Amino acid sequence: DQQVKQNSPSLSVQEGRISILNCDYTNSMFDYFLWYKKYPAEGPTFLISISSIKDKNEDGRFTVFLNKSAKHLSLHIVPSQPGDSAVYFCAASGQSNYQLIWGAGTKLIIKP
Amino acid sequence: EAGVAQSPRYKIIEKRQSVAFWCNPISGHATLYWYQQILGQGPKLLIQFQNNGVVDDSQLPKDRFSAERLKGVDSTLKIQPAKLEDSAVYLCASSYGTDQPQHFGDGTRLSIL
Repeated sequence: DQQVKQNSPSLSVQEGRISILNCDYTNSMFDYFLWYKKYPAEGPTFLISISSIKDKNEDGRFTVFLNKSAKHLSLHIVPSQPGDSAVYFCAASGQSNYQLIWGAGTKLIIKP
Repeated sequence: EAGVAQSPRYKIIEKRQSVAFWCNPISGHATLYWYQQILGQGPKLLIQFQNNGVVDDSQLPKDRFSAERLKGVDSTLKIQPAKLEDSAVYLCASSYGTDQPQHFGDGTRLSIL
């Protein structure tokens, strides 16, 4: 039972364009969502988060959008840079249990 | 600020052998997590400590896996005996609290022959 789904295993984007990574969840009790970035042979690095009381959070080139009615969130990276090439994980948790539930990840490839 | 330290980085053992991993969290972080990440999947929580107490070990296969954080700082995760399906990357993470972002070490890649 996958409660957090990232349906695109990989995504290829031209440098300078916008990258949009998607994540869907099934558990309506989730109220906190995070995006992590992972380079090969390294641990995941926290990127950006959003609480369910918001529908948008922005940090520099990174913006996360949350659509609670659709149980969907997305990460926008603009403009995309070569260093953004990595695997991006979406994770979710609820107030009753702060345990993070992770998606399977999306590999983002930025083409020069 | 020094990050989460893990050792060893790689380990190869035969099935039925035992293995141990070590983690030193970020100074001041009370919460420590051990995750198992199988290739192509997201991390799966094995155990969570708050200081030296266990908060959640519901997904830890207790017949073969054990973990401790005796002094509320460093932690070790042990597998005895190992099975082929234990081949994975074992990640340690820490945070100030359960509602704070987790910071990860680089993991230990375990291969079972």
